[in-house]
Amino acid sequence: AQKVTQAQTEISVVEKEDVTLDCVYETRDTTYYLFWYKQPPSGELVFLIRRNSFDEQNEISGRYSWNFQKSTSSFNFTITASQVVDSAVYFCALSEVLYSGYSTLTFGKGTMLLVSP
Amino acid sequence: ETGVTQTPRHLVMGMTNKKSLKCEQHLGHNAMYWYKQSAKKPLELMFVYNFKEQTENNSVPSRFSPECPNSSHLFLHLHTLQPEDSALYLCASSQEQRGNTQYFGPGTRLTVL
Repeated sequence: AQKVTQAQTEISVVEKEDVTLDCVYETRDTTYYLFWYKQPPSGELVFLIRRNSFDEQNEISGRYSWNFQKSTSSFNFTITASQVVDSAVYFCALSEVLYSGYSTLTFGKGTMLLVSP
Repeated sequence: ETGVTQTPRHLVMGMTNKKSLKCEQHLGHNAMYWYKQSAKKPLELMFVYNFKEQTENNSVPSRFSPECPNSSHLFLHLHTLQPEDSALYLCASSQEQRGNTQYFGPGTRLTVL
């Protein structure tokens, strides 16, 4: 069975600090997809990034960057110069093919990030 | 309306009530999902619909009854719920192809008294 582990339950930082959220996954699939979602207090899960298993290039989008390392089965997320608006729960997820043949996502338990002024 | 919408946003019901949650997606997707998010637990997949057909029921109790009349609408009918069913219920949609991104609605916060 697939598994996603986010070992950090809660992280507190002060504004402008850099912070890295860890994600470790387990899968037997050779082709798979990894995702990060943000869940602010309003509740909606906001899609941040999708990465396939064949693309190990790191990606940067503004203050956000992602480090995908297949050798260690990790897909870590770094926020540079954090801001109060970054306060949210962040979920890492792994695509999973169900018995029916269709796919869905396996989520980690999430990391709550608190950024204080 | 854009994206995925859910109504109501908040719902309080008694254990003997019958209510329904509604989800609508405006993205032209053909797969829709119901998830349950309880406090301190990972998101739990409940149901999956592809092209209006239910393709996954993740051992959900029969007091939760989904309905998908077309690819854009998804309902979750609730009856005789228990207090432990109180949670955030999230709807999502995607284009059904392995690894495609799921887009989520804002959720319905359900409280069962």
